[in-house]
Amino acid sequence: GNSVTQMEGPVTLSEEAFLTINCTYTATGYPSLFWYVQYPGEGLQLLLKATKADDKGSNKGFEATYRKETTSFHLEKGSVQVSDSAVYFCALNDGNKLVFGAGTILRVKS
Amino acid sequence: DTAVSQTPKYLVTQMGNDKSIKCEQNLGHDTMYWYKQDSKKFLKIMFSYNNKELIINETVPNRFSPKSPDKAHLNLHINSLELGDSAVYFCASSPEGSSGNTIYFGEGSWLTVV
Repeated sequence: GNSVTQMEGPVTLSEEAFLTINCTYTATGYPSLFWYVQYPGEGLQLLLKATKADDKGSNKGFEATYRKETTSFHLEKGSVQVSDSAVYFCALNDGNKLVFGAGTILRVKS
Repeated sequence: DTAVSQTPKYLVTQMGNDKSIKCEQNLGHDTMYWYKQDSKKFLKIMFSYNNKELIINETVPNRFSPKSPDKAHLNLHINSLELGDSAVYFCASSPEGSSGNTIYFGEGSWLTVV
């Protein structure tokens, strides 16, 4: 079945550092891809998405590009802030549901 | 205005009890879901309903029974609660199906069984 693999965390960075969280997927066909973020004690919010190959999703300084050749959707941000500390989930749509990766905890220190 | 709202947000209860979590969405979506997040943050779908009809049931014990009185509501009832049911339960909704469409999540219900 379809699945998503994310890099294990926690990822600890200093403020203003460059962020990459790796995400690769296994799927039949070309699913839509998503990044969701969960801030401490809160629910899941959509961060960005891409619905076809070579699409780039972007929001709040984060971006990810749908790479069909490498089946990847890595999340990047040029300069992280303390307020970006959260759990980040990569996901793909599989029929009528989302399949999530295991989540990556990001900690940003001032 | 909260798009997907679920109550209660926190629930502590004893083993063997029966409890319900309610969910309502005001987005006009046709599809609603319940997801479970375990202590390691792993998220897995439990159920999906489209226009009040069950379309996904992911090998969930039959102590869990979803009920959709109308397409804006999807409640989750849990019988005979066990310690392993402690988790965060997320309600969600999307326009018909999830293919390419964003799924909107509620804020979660933190269930602790003692």
